[in-house]
Amino acid sequence: AQSVTQPDIHITVSEGASLELRCNYSYGATPYLFWYVQSPGQGLQLLLKYFSGDTLVQGIKGFEAEFKRSQSSFNLRKPSVHWSDAAECFCAVGPSGGSYIPTFGRGTSLIVHP
Amino acid sequence: DAGITQSPRHKVTETGTPVTLRCHQTENHRYMYWYRQDPGHGLRLIHYSYGVKDTDKGEVSDGYSVSRSKTEDFLLTLESATSSQTSVYFCAISGTGPSGQMTARQEEQYFGPGTRLTVT
Repeated sequence: AQSVTQPDIHITVSEGASLELRCNYSYGATPYLFWYVQSPGQGLQLLLKYFSGDTLVQGIKGFEAEFKRSQSSFNLRKPSVHWSDAAECFCAVGPSGGSYIPTFGRGTSLIVHP
Repeated sequence: DAGITQSPRHKVTETGTPVTLRCHQTENHRYMYWYRQDPGHGLRLIHYSYGVKDTDKGEVSDGYSVSRSKTEDFLLTLESATSSQTSVYFCAISGTGPSGQMTARQEEQYFGPGTRLTVT
């Protein structure tokens, strides 16, 4: 069965600093990969997605992620974090066996210090 | 905006009472899902639907039932609410609707704003 690991429960960065959130997956073939962000009291918003092709994908709000097959990773990055980026971030991988339903990681809480 | 609404947005109920949460979508997407979100557990799938009257169980389906009598509505019912069902519930959709407004793989999900349910 596939799985998703987000090793960091919390990440704290200073405003203006760069950011990298880790996501590792276990999957037998080329996965579909997603990053979602959840602001406090809100639903999940899709930041970016990878299906195939260029392994560096650009998303909304200045985020990007790179698919590295050799490392089974899909880390989320941003060169300069803004206070409004504080949120819970979820990595997801799909499909799952014969199902199209993605598997979600447990999330990383992004804390931004002024 | 994927045109997804959830109602109610907040609800407090007593143990043993039935509760129904509604998810409504406006773009005729085929697939709909109910998740619950709890600290330390992330998102867990309760039930999902792959068409009108076609539903299946997720990983935490005990104590929950669902119905989908028309494309736009997916109802989640707690037959007899328990304190362990206090949670935030999210509806999600995926897939391309007949309108073609959202071309996406069926694995690509879009979420509603959530319902915060408290069972006392």
